Amino acid sequence: GNSVTQMEGPVTLSEEAFLTINCTYTATGYPSLFWYVQYPGEGLQLLLKATKADDKGSNKGFEATYRKETTSFHLEKGSVQVSDSAVYFCALRLSSNTGKLIFGQGTTLQVKP
Amino acid sequence: NAGVTQTPKFQVLKTGQSMTLQCAQDMNHNSMYWYRQDPGMGLRLIYYSASEGTTDKGEVPNGYNVSRLNKREFSLRLESAAPSQTSVYFCASSPQGDYSNQPQHFGDGTRLSIL
Repeated sequence: GNSVTQMEGPVTLSEEAFLTINCTYTATGYPSLFWYVQYPGEGLQLLLKATKADDKGSNKGFEATYRKETTSFHLEKGSVQVSDSAVYFCALRLSSNTGKLIFGQGTTLQVKP
Repeated sequence: NAGVTQTPKFQVLKTGQSMTLQCAQDMNHNSMYWYRQDPGMGLRLIYYSASEGTTDKGEVPNGYNVSRLNKREFSLRLESAAPSQTSVYFCASSPQGDYSNQPQHFGDGTRLSIL
């Protein structure tokens, strides 16, 4: 079936460290891929997206590249800040007319000063 | 610009009680969704409405019902609450479901505890 797998957290980093959060997927067809971020007490916000193979999504210093050959969409940031502390969700959207998202389990990031 | 508004934000129920979670969006979106979020499990789709007048089951529909009241509003009802339904519930909307890559917009969630 269709699924998304993320690396388990929590991930704890010092400020200005390099961040990678791994995400792999299993899907039929050609899904679109998304990263959402959830700050404490809030709903999810779209961070970035990629709609086809080799696309790179980017926003607020975060990047992720849609790798069809490895079915991956890893999230990276070169220098994290304390304000990046949040839960990050990888998600896929199948090429269908429902718009449904399938989420990974989420990865908690804690950035320490 | 309110976006997606959920009410209530917090609720405590006793086992067997019923309640309705309300969701409204002001972005003229066609599609709306209800998810539950549980630790270590990400978000799981309960029900969705691809367009006004239609509703369909998601991954975990048992114990829930929904109503797409109009284009703006999509409610989730627990007829007889059970402790296993303790969770954070999120409503989301998106412009259209048909081959769209537009993101879903989420409300701030309803934290529901069932004793």
